[in-house]
Amino acid sequence: AQKVTQAQTEISVVEKEDVTLDCVYETRDTTYYLFWYKQPPSGELVFLIRRNSFDEQNEISGRYSWNFQKSTSSFNFTITASQVVDSAVYFCALSDTGGSYIPTFGRGTSLIVHP
Amino acid sequence: DGGITQSPKYLFRKEGQNVTLSCEQNLNHDAMYWYRQDPGQGLRLIYYSQIVNDFQKGDIAEGYSVSREKKESFPLTVTSAQKNPTAFYLCASINGQGPYQPQHFGDGTRLSIL
Repeated sequence: AQKVTQAQTEISVVEKEDVTLDCVYETRDTTYYLFWYKQPPSGELVFLIRRNSFDEQNEISGRYSWNFQKSTSSFNFTITASQVVDSAVYFCALSDTGGSYIPTFGRGTSLIVHP
Repeated sequence: DGGITQSPKYLFRKEGQNVTLSCEQNLNHDAMYWYRQDPGQGLRLIYYSQIVNDFQKGDIAEGYSVSREKKESFPLTVTSAQKNPTAFYLCASINGQGPYQPQHFGDGTRLSIL
């Protein structure tokens, strides 16, 4: 069985602060995929990044960066110099090869960036 | 532009009434999904379909029904048997199959009880 834990329910920061959203996962598979999605107030989830279990390279995209550590089963997401437009709910998800490829989502972290 | 269209954006249900939420995609994706989102609960899978005329129950299928008569359409009916239907409903699709594919989402339908 797979499980994704996002322990932070809500994070509140002031603009320009750096913020890290935590994601811890559990799976018995050796091949799996991790995702981050952003859900702005409009409601639609937007795909941000995918990582497979064999690629532990960290990734940076503009102000966003992702730290994947298999040793701690974590896939954390950092926003540098946060902006008000980053305010959203962020979901981490895991998909493995053990079943019908249905992803398991964490409960989400609500990020509020104050001006 | 290709995408997923959910309608209506807001829906109200009376006691004992069935209501149907629409989900249409023009992405030519094979697999489609319905999720329910409650505050603090994340996304819970209701039903999914990987090919036309076939669908499977998810974790919380009771009180819901679906059909998949066309590749582009996957409507969800919330029946009167669903006693707590108030939630945000999201439809998603995936290009092809496999665990590496990210999901594309619609912008949701918010269902409330009158």
